[in-house]
Amino acid sequence: GDSVTQTEGQVALSEEDFLTIHCNYSASGYPALFWYVQYPGEGPQFLFRASRDKEKGSSRGFEATYDKGTTSFHLRKASVQESDSAVYYCALGRSNMGYKLTFGTGTSLLVDP
Amino acid sequence: EAGVTQSPRYAVLQEGQAVSFWCDPISGHDTLYWYQQPRDQGPQLLVYFRDEAVIDNSQLPSDRFSAVRPKGTNSTLKIQSAKQGDTATYLCASSSTGGALEQYFGPGTRLTVL
Repeated sequence: GDSVTQTEGQVALSEEDFLTIHCNYSASGYPALFWYVQYPGEGPQFLFRASRDKEKGSSRGFEATYDKGTTSFHLRKASVQESDSAVYYCALGRSNMGYKLTFGTGTSLLVDP
Repeated sequence: EAGVTQSPRYAVLQEGQAVSFWCDPISGHDTLYWYQQPRDQGPQLLVYFRDEAVIDNSQLPSDRFSAVRPKGTNSTLKIQSAKQGDTATYLCASSSTGGALEQYFGPGTRLTVL
C-alpha cells in the first residue's frame, strides 16, 4: 500500500538558517504530493501540492519538487523564521471523489530567534 | 468565510463509555473527512463522504465506530464503547470537488479515555 516516510523527527535551527525536511514515498502510479503544517492546538493547514513529475509547489517561502525518479518531495526554505516553528507533514493523495490522504509521521521544526 | 467547526474541543471518558463528535464543514464543501491523530503521529483517515454518501470507510473500526452525514452538510462521528487505545485527536476536514481539492481542517476534538 501507499506510505510516506519523513526521516527527521525533529529539526532545530536558528533564524535565517536553510531548512530541508526529507520526504520519500512509496506508491504506484502518480499520486499527488502535499505538504501540510500544524501549529499547537490547531488542525493541519495546507501549504502546497504537486501532481506530476518535476512539478514544483511553493508557498510562504517554502518549496518542494516532485521527483518520481527518487520518489521524493523534500521541503526546503532558504531562510527560516521563529514563526515557522511547527510540525510539518508530507502527505500522498489518491483521487477518488475527493482525495484520500496518507500522511507521514511529521517533522517538528523549532527555530531559535 | 467561516472555517471547519468541531465540537466538543475536549472529551474525557472512562473505558466503555460512548462519545459523539460533531463537525460543521465549510459552506459549499461537498466532501467531508474524519481523521484520527494519535499523539505525535500524523493524521490517519477513518472515513470520508461525498455529500451524504460514504466513499471510503475501510479504516473505520466498524464494530465500535460509526459516522453519518445525513443531509450532506454536518457530520457526526460516534464511538460506541471507547477503549484507551482510542485516545487521540479527532480531526474533521472538508474540501470542494469544484475547487482545487485541498482539505481544510478543523481544530479537532482531543479525546482521552481513562
